[in-house]
Amino acid sequence: AQTVTQSQPEMSVQEAETVTLSCTYDTSESDYYLFWYKQPPSRQMILVIRQEAYKQQNATENRFSVNFQKAAKSFSLKISDSQLGDAAMYFCAYRVLFGGSNYKLTFGKGTLLTVNP
Amino acid sequence: DAGVTQSPTHLIKTRGQHVTLRCSPISGHKSVSWYQQVLGQGPQFIFQYYEKEERGRGNFPDRFSARQFPNYSSELNVNALLLGDSALYLCASSLEVLAKNIQYFGAGTRLSVL
Repeated sequence: AQTVTQSQPEMSVQEAETVTLSCTYDTSESDYYLFWYKQPPSRQMILVIRQEAYKQQNATENRFSVNFQKAAKSFSLKISDSQLGDAAMYFCAYRVLFGGSNYKLTFGKGTLLTVNP
Repeated sequence: DAGVTQSPTHLIKTRGQHVTLRCSPISGHKSVSWYQQVLGQGPQFIFQYYEKEERGRGNFPDRFSARQFPNYSSELNVNALLLGDSALYLCASSLEVLAKNIQYFGAGTRLSVL
């Protein structure tokens, strides 16, 4: 079964500094998608960044970047120049194939990020 | 354009009751998925619908059911509520059900079962 593991229940960072959130996953597929979602207290899950497994290049979205290590099945999120608005629960998710041609998301348990002023 | 909208935002029920949660996808999106997020956990997949047909369900009892309407909106129904059904229920929509399609989430419905 596909699983997603986030080993850091909580992390904290000083404003303007850099923090890395860890994620590992287990899969037998060769082509798949990985995601980081952010869930602030407002509860809405917001897509932060997406990585396609067949792409060697790590995805980047402004201050957010990933370190994708396919062989190690590792997918960490780096937040640079942290801002107070980055404080939220961060979920790593894996796109799972089921029922032949349908896809669902499997999430990790999340990492609560605190940003200190 | 409006994002994914869910109603109600908060609901309180007692054990044994029935509940209906509603979701309107982003305009043009044909697929809706439902997730249950228990406090302190990541979301768990419940159902996926595409073009009004169920495409799959997660490991949830038959007390959970859903449907999708011609306008692509969706309802999630839960019968005979248990205390353990207390959770945030999230709806996500996507254009289709392809691997490349991003799922966009609503703000959820917080269900409390007393």
